[in-house]
Amino acid sequence: DTAVSQTPKYLVTQMGNDKSIKCEQNLGHDTMYWYKQDSKKFLKIMFSYNNKELIINETVPNRFSPKSPDKAHLNLHINSLELGDSAVYFCASSQDVVETQYFGPGTRLLVL
Amino acid sequence: GENVEQHPSTLSVQEGDSAVIKCTYSDSASNYFPWYKQELGKRPQLIIDIRSNVGEKKDQRIAVTLNKTAKHFSLHITETQPEDSAVYFCAASKGNTDKLIFGTGTRLQVFP
Repeated sequence: DTAVSQTPKYLVTQMGNDKSIKCEQNLGHDTMYWYKQDSKKFLKIMFSYNNKELIINETVPNRFSPKSPDKAHLNLHINSLELGDSAVYFCASSQDVVETQYFGPGTRLLVL
Repeated sequence: GENVEQHPSTLSVQEGDSAVIKCTYSDSASNYFPWYKQELGKRPQLIIDIRSNVGEKKDQRIAVTLNKTAKHFSLHITETQPEDSAVYFCAASKGNTDKLIFGTGTRLQVFP
C-alpha cells in the first residue's frame, strides 16, 4: 500500500552513461514532482507535471528529461551523466501545489 | 522569484526544552507555508502547514506562526524529545501552478 514509490533505490554508474528513475503514486493525485537533494541537503524542484502536462521546468540541464505516461507515473531520464549529478532524487505527488506533498523514498545516485 | 531563508542551520537542545526555527520569504503573494521533517536517510514528511488567512496553528507539541507583514513564519516545538531530531524544512508557495520553494533546512539535535 505504498503511496509514492521509486525505483531504483540506489544507482551507481559511470560518467557519460544514461540512466532512468521511475516513480509511481497510487494516491490519485493530479500533480507529480521531481526534486534534487544535494550533499548539503538543499531540496530543489526540478520538474512538475499536472495531469501529464509539464507545468514547472526549472533551470535544469537538458540532459534531464521527465516523462509522464499517465498521471500516476513520472519518470526521469538522465543522459550523459556527470559527477555533479550525484545526489538524492525525490519524486513527490500532491492533489495541488498548496496541498500536502507526499515524497517517495528517494533514489541515491552516485556518478563515478 | 521567491526566496526562502531559514535560520538557524543547526540547533541543539536538551530534551524537554523548546526549539524555534525561523523562516523569511520574499514574495508577498506567497500564501501557503508548510513545514517538512526529514529524518536521517528518510523522505521529507509534512508535519504542519499554515495558510495566509491564519496567524497561528497548533498540533500537539508543534505550532507554526505567520507574520504576513514582516514576511516571516516560525516553527515552535515544545517539550522536545530525542525522536524530534531531524532536518526541518520550511517552504513557501503562491499556489495555483506555482512551485514550492524550500528553505535551506535546520538540523535539530535533541540530547537526552
